[in-house]
Amino acid sequence: KNEVEQSPQNLTAQEGEFITINCSYSVGISALHWLQQHPGGGIVSLFMLSSGKKKHGRLIATINIQEKHSSLHITASHPRDSAVYICAVGYSLNRDDKIIFGKGTRLHILP
Amino acid sequence: NAGVMQNPRHLVRRRGQEARLRCSPMKGHSHVYWYRQLPEEGLKFMVYLQKENIIDESGMPKERFSAEFPKEGPSILRIQQVVRGDSAAYFCASSPWGGSSNQPQHFGDGTRLSIL
Repeated sequence: KNEVEQSPQNLTAQEGEFITINCSYSVGISALHWLQQHPGGGIVSLFMLSSGKKKHGRLIATINIQEKHSSLHITASHPRDSAVYICAVGYSLNRDDKIIFGKGTRLHILP
Repeated sequence: NAGVMQNPRHLVRRRGQEARLRCSPMKGHSHVYWYRQLPEEGLKFMVYLQKENIIDESGMPKERFSAEFPKEGPSILRIQQVVRGDSAAYFCASSPWGGSSNQPQHFGDGTRLSIL
């Protein structure tokens, strides 16, 4: 079982739809990261959060520490949001810091 | 451009050759992380370096792979005697402080390594 599970793996939606991508993890974390990987391959850090909710433009990230679950929402989706969205969890073990990545959710927004 | 710079963007090598991947961190960042992304797989941690020191190389194969981050110049990920299975995208990220788990990381655009 992967320590970071994302769902769905692939998502196709129409422009304007509200998008939700889910991330579940099995380790105790120090922070959770949401990343965006563009079709050209570059990776951009969207959010880092350890509790509650963060908002940036049309993107919202939430985390429930008790349930070990996070969601990334996109409101009023647009074709330029098409990308792979990656959830990653950071945790400390024996003074080592580690990050574990999910396999990503491939999002395709149709015009 | 003050972002993380990786070069080359694409690198083609034949089996048995050496591959050198370079990463210049963001200005002011002294912590560098290397990750590997195999086709259809998630990113996997390889190595974490601070200037002139390897802090954590637990994700790096013991043979053929090495990394350095000299006092001057970029961080280098070196793969000797490459094999087909080394074909992947290699990403570098940097941060101003240590502790990757709860620090925002700034990623480069990656190097796509193809082994013929």
